[in-house]
Amino acid sequence: KNEVEQSPQNLTAQEGEFITINCSYSVGISALHWLQQHPGGGIVSLFMLSSGKKKHGRLIATINIQEKHSSLHITASHPRDSAVYICAVILNSGYALNFGKGTSLLVTP
Amino acid sequence: DGGITQSPKYLFRKEGQNVTLSCEQNLNHDAMYWYRQDPGQGLRLIYYSQIVNDFQKGDIAEGYSVSREKKESFPLTVTSAQKNPTAFYLCASSMSRPVQPQHFGDGTRLSIL
Repeated sequence: KNEVEQSPQNLTAQEGEFITINCSYSVGISALHWLQQHPGGGIVSLFMLSSGKKKHGRLIATINIQEKHSSLHITASHPRDSAVYICAVILNSGYALNFGKGTSLLVTP
Repeated sequence: DGGITQSPKYLFRKEGQNVTLSCEQNLNHDAMYWYRQDPGQGLRLIYYSQIVNDFQKGDIAEGYSVSREKKESFPLTVTSAQKNPTAFYLCASSMSRPVQPQHFGDGTRLSIL
């Protein structure tokens, strides 16, 4: 059983739309990451958070520790935002990341 | 610029051969990790190392081996005992406690001939 669940699995949006990707986890964590993976495979860390909300440009990440839930929002989406977005958690008992399966986002012009 | 370098980008292996994937970082990070990615699945942890000359098995360590002789380097060997080695392999690094973001390499795609 995967400890990290993401939804939706696939998402298509038109340029300019507001996008939300959700992540739920079932265990105690010390931190949660949002990662971006482009078609070439390389992964970039977007956010690491353990409480509250973080914002970087058009990206916003929130986490609710009590509900074990996090969301990644993209405002004014653009075709260059097309990528796979991955939620990953660090368990209280561990060091390495436990990953969700990712959300594949396609933003069309 | 600091970062993580994985090589090669593409690697082909014949049945029965061992192959070694390189991972080097110049970020002065203590911890390094190897993950495997298969289509439709999340990344899974193969091995990780928090300090030189020490490493721990992850969820799918069977058929793999690692070494950590230098802080900068964490090579992964895919042995012939790994029955399904075709996958995308990612190396990452981070500072150790307190929890810090992980930085990723660009990955190595391994295929069986």
